[in-house]
Amino acid sequence: AAGVIQSPRHLIKEKRETATLKCYPIPRHDTVYWYQQGPGQDPQFLISFYEKMQSDKGSIPDRFSAQQFSDYHSELNMSSLELGDSALYFCASSFGLAGVSEQFFGPGTRLTVL
Amino acid sequence: AQSVTQPDIHITVSEGASLELRCNYSYGATPYLFWYVQSPGQGLQLLLKYFSGDTLVQGIKGFEAEFKRSQSSFNLRKPSVHWSDAAEYFCAVGAPEAAGNKLTFGGGTRVLVKP
Repeated sequence: AAGVIQSPRHLIKEKRETATLKCYPIPRHDTVYWYQQGPGQDPQFLISFYEKMQSDKGSIPDRFSAQQFSDYHSELNMSSLELGDSALYFCASSFGLAGVSEQFFGPGTRLTVL
Repeated sequence: AQSVTQPDIHITVSEGASLELRCNYSYGATPYLFWYVQSPGQGLQLLLKYFSGDTLVQGIKGFEAEFKRSQSSFNLRKPSVHWSDAAEYFCAVGAPEAAGNKLTFGGGTRVLVKP
């Protein structure tokens, strides 16, 4: 079965650079979630989109922005990168509105900021 | 707002022994509850989930979990642990009434398996 695809899988950037992470949800899934997992931490919710509109927002820094496109893929844009942004970034997708909404996670993008 | 507590940061268990991981949640109504497993450097794999109905939920890899509303708990169990079960386990809660609802994760429990 098709799974959530994230690219790139690994990314190395310098401080103050920008990074773009991409997420391709499972076909027919219309909701995308982004989570950040720092070293030794639990995943923290950043932001989610349903039908290309932002549906919820968590502890996402103002330096980060995200959007969901017409084909339902999503991109997380990160600017002015800081050392503390080094983390594993997960994308998850689900189908539908409130109700049963199991989230399927991608393999993650490991971002290292030097 | 929902929250999740996993009281045990580390658990060491012998191979073949039983395993129980604790999870307590805080939420105003009945939440959606999940257990995920994560191997080092890997993604999150769903073990099992509870949405409604039977409070004893069967999952993959021989795991089960029991939802106890009176105790706000959703503990994960496995009768006989295999060495491959060594990983980090996360309990998570979701809010049923919200569209695009986020998952809130507990701090995780790292399981070590002794031969």
